Amino acid sequence: QVQLVQSGAEVTKPGASVRVSCKASGYTFTNFGISWVRQAPGQGLEWLGWINVKNGKTNYAQSLQGRVTMTTDTSTSIAYMELRSLRTDDTAVYYCVRDWDYQWHYWGQGTLVTVSS
Amino acid sequence: QTVVTQEPSLTVSPGGTVTLTCASSTGEVTSGFYPNWFQQKPGQAPRPLIYGIGYKHSWTPARFSGSLLGAKAALTLSGVQPEDEAAYYCLLFHGGAWFFGGGTKLTVL
Repeated sequence: QVQLVQSGAEVTKPGASVRVSCKASGYTFTNFGISWVRQAPGQGLEWLGWINVKNGKTNYAQSLQGRVTMTTDTSTSIAYMELRSLRTDDTAVYYCVRDWDYQWHYWGQGTLVTVSS
Repeated sequence: QTVVTQEPSLTVSPGGTVTLTCASSTGEVTSGFYPNWFQQKPGQAPRPLIYGIGYKHSWTPARFSGSLLGAKAALTLSGVQPEDEAAYYCLLFHGGAWFFGGGTKLTVL
């Protein structure tokens, strides 16, 4: 069955960087894209960007341009999302989602990133 | 920047029918916005319900249906169950990016 398993919770300081991983299984990794979404405590969902796993092409949300990088390692079927210059309002649960042909099917379990001094 | 608007909260009685809507600040929502709908319960990841206006995932209960209603995307729950109490989010594609609505908190009472 399709699974997206994310890395564990992170606690980090303002100005630092964080990298969240998302290991895919149960399907051909390169046949689909991966979107990243976050949810601040008690808030709604925010799309962060998307990566075409086959060719590495990315499309980032305007609000995060310059601070986010999405990559994949097709040899291990892992997607990564790195966020730099962290601020306290980046504190959120970060999700990876299998996204292809405008269909959002499978979500990871989420990774809590806490940014605090 | 596209703003997607949903009803902040709705209340429905068990067994009743309720429609949640999803509007875009850019104008009419059409098939080209590829609406997706998600259900989220506290402490859980969102669960996909609908994609492409009205297509259901294999796990989506029959009582959920998606459509276009006027200028908006819509999610209708018919024969609401107590376990349908949750937050519901719509997602629209526009201008090469995805935009979530603010979510509708559905109370079953």
